[in-house]
Amino acid sequence: AQTVTQSQPEMSVQEAETVTLSCTYDTSESDYYLFWYKQPPSRQMILVIRQEAYKQQNATENRFSVNFQKAAKSFSLKISDSQLGDAAMYFCAYSLGDSNYQLIWGAGTKLIIKP
Amino acid sequence: GAGVSQSPSNKVTEKGKDVELRCDPISGHTALYWYRQSLGQGLEFLIYFQGNSAPDKSGLPSDRFSAERTGGSVSTLTIQRTQQEDSAVYLCASSGPGQGSPYEQYFGPGTRLTVT
Repeated sequence: AQTVTQSQPEMSVQEAETVTLSCTYDTSESDYYLFWYKQPPSRQMILVIRQEAYKQQNATENRFSVNFQKAAKSFSLKISDSQLGDAAMYFCAYSLGDSNYQLIWGAGTKLIIKP
Repeated sequence: GAGVSQSPSNKVTEKGKDVELRCDPISGHTALYWYRQSLGQGLEFLIYFQGNSAPDKSGLPSDRFSAERTGGSVSTLTIQRTQQEDSAVYLCASSGPGQGSPYEQYFGPGTRLTVT
């Protein structure tokens, strides 16, 4: 069975600094997708960034980038120039590359931004 | 365009009552997912629809839970004889042709269910 592990229940970072959130996963599949979602107190789950397992190049979206290490089954999220609006729960998620893209979730990391 | 909407936003019910939670997906999205987010359990998959059929109901926790989707659009999650352990936020997501990639799920704001 596939599992996703986020080992950091909480992280804090100074505004404008860089922070890295960790995620590891376990799967025997070769074709899958990985995601980072952000959930602010409003409860709305927002997609931050995605990575297709077949792509070697790490995904980037503005201040957000990932370090995808397929052999190590690691998928960390780096947030550069942290802003107060980045404060939220961050969830790492995995889905298979077939017709049912159900997400398997990590437990989440609470990110605190210090002004 | 409009995102995924869910209603009600919050629902308080007495133990033993039935509740219905509604999800309106993004127009044109063929896939619809229900997840449950509870304090002790994190996020868990409940059920998946492709069109009106549900090929994967593996996550439904008991036979008190059921879901349907009509017209390839609106979905209703029904919980019968609610128990206190059903208290959670129920999230709906959709994906498919049109907005985003088929494997990118767009989420609604969730329904917070409290069973007293």
